[in-house]
Amino acid sequence: DVKVTQSSRYLVKRTGEKVFLECVQDMDHENMFWYRQDPGLGLRLIYFSYDVKMKEKGDIPEGYSVSREKKERFSLILESASTNQTSMYLCASKWAGVGDTQYFGPGTRLTVL
Amino acid sequence: DQQVKQNSPSLSVQEGRISILNCDYTNSMFDYFLWYKKYPAEGPTFLISISSIKDKNEDGRFTVFLNKSAKHLSLHIVPSQPGDSAVYFCAASPSGGTSYGKLTFGQGTILTVHP
Repeated sequence: DVKVTQSSRYLVKRTGEKVFLECVQDMDHENMFWYRQDPGLGLRLIYFSYDVKMKEKGDIPEGYSVSREKKERFSLILESASTNQTSMYLCASKWAGVGDTQYFGPGTRLTVL
Repeated sequence: DQQVKQNSPSLSVQEGRISILNCDYTNSMFDYFLWYKKYPAEGPTFLISISSIKDKNEDGRFTVFLNKSAKHLSLHIVPSQPGDSAVYFCAASPSGGTSYGKLTFGQGTILTVHP
């Protein structure tokens, strides 16, 4: 059974703080993804990684960075949090094969005050 | 530029009836489509998928139809149950080695099934 875990379910931070969101998967998946979910906008891809230390920008990478030092862990970093980064953040992982589904973590609800 | 669109923000149906959720896409490179279900405070869970070489895929109460010429897909749930109440997202992906299985999601449709 695939398991994707995220370090926090709820997080409250102040404007300007550096924020780390951690994601860990236990299925040896090559590919990992970070999304944010906002009402009326669906899920939007921030960054993804297809291998250790490899990363690519998604559709909305501005204001974010990522780190993948180990295969099972993918971190999303908000260098200087802003109020418009208040959102639900979802991590996902999948095998490298074409057509394989992505498995999601439970999400982190981040509020930036 | 919204490449995957779910034009109905919400849908309300009676228990036992059919639920039909719709999704349109614009990118001709998409050839693999998925539906995810999401309950509040949980991550999305995979429901059903379809490849562009097919026009229908069935899994129990869930059937996905794909009309490539219209760039349209739909999810049918028959019969609908109260436990199906959730947000449904359609997603699309291009195949090919450099896509890495990236998904483009629609905005979501909130389905409410009344007992």
